[in-house]
Amino acid sequence: DSGVTQTPKHLITATGQRVTLRCSPRSGDLSVYWYQQSLDQGLQFLIQYYNGEERAKGNILERFSAQQFPDLHSELNLSSLELGDSALYFCASSEDTHQPQHFGDGTRLSIL
Amino acid sequence: DQQVKQNSPSLSVQEGRISILNCDYTNSMFDYFLWYKKYPAEGPTFLISISSIKDKNEDGRFTVFLNKSAKHLSLHIVPSQPGDSAVYFCAASAIQAGTALIFGKGTTLSVSS
Repeated sequence: DSGVTQTPKHLITATGQRVTLRCSPRSGDLSVYWYQQSLDQGLQFLIQYYNGEERAKGNILERFSAQQFPDLHSELNLSSLELGDSALYFCASSEDTHQPQHFGDGTRLSIL
Repeated sequence: DQQVKQNSPSLSVQEGRISILNCDYTNSMFDYFLWYKKYPAEGPTFLISISSIKDKNEDGRFTVFLNKSAKHLSLHIVPSQPGDSAVYFCAASAIQAGTALIFGKGTTLSVSS
């Protein structure tokens, strides 16, 4: 058990819809990261938050957004969903820079 | 353009022998490297890391070697056990670019008894 909790485990929805993925980091970790894993692309970094503030952005679409709340949990919002957004979405957390990131078990998003 | 490459999609090893997983990178700014293990339906599990100021780090059966001039790192597992069968990901980050990890596409290790 990594200590990182992601909900829900599975999500099935239709094109054009909006969903919210939730992540609770390990106790004491201030950084939260979101990654997307699709079949052909591997694990791709989306966005990082540190203690409530956005710290780095990767290949995140404009239709996607995230935030980190005062209790340090984070939410990833995906809107105007397309078939290609079907993927595994992982959250990870770490204490600080250049510390190992610990991953949750992911949310599997299926767009029908 | 892949910055972190794991050129072997799969590796098969007998129990008790050494497993060597390889990883190459192209970005000379990378200064922190990690290996993760992943079982189906679970998230990646951190195994071992190495900073660019070192060339070797050891933790039990796992040793990571870093060759900066060749931009190459490897993970040695000795002795290999059937429970080590999983997908192994190499990852790298550069402090100047934040702490996001850039992952390779993984190598599936199968350890037979």
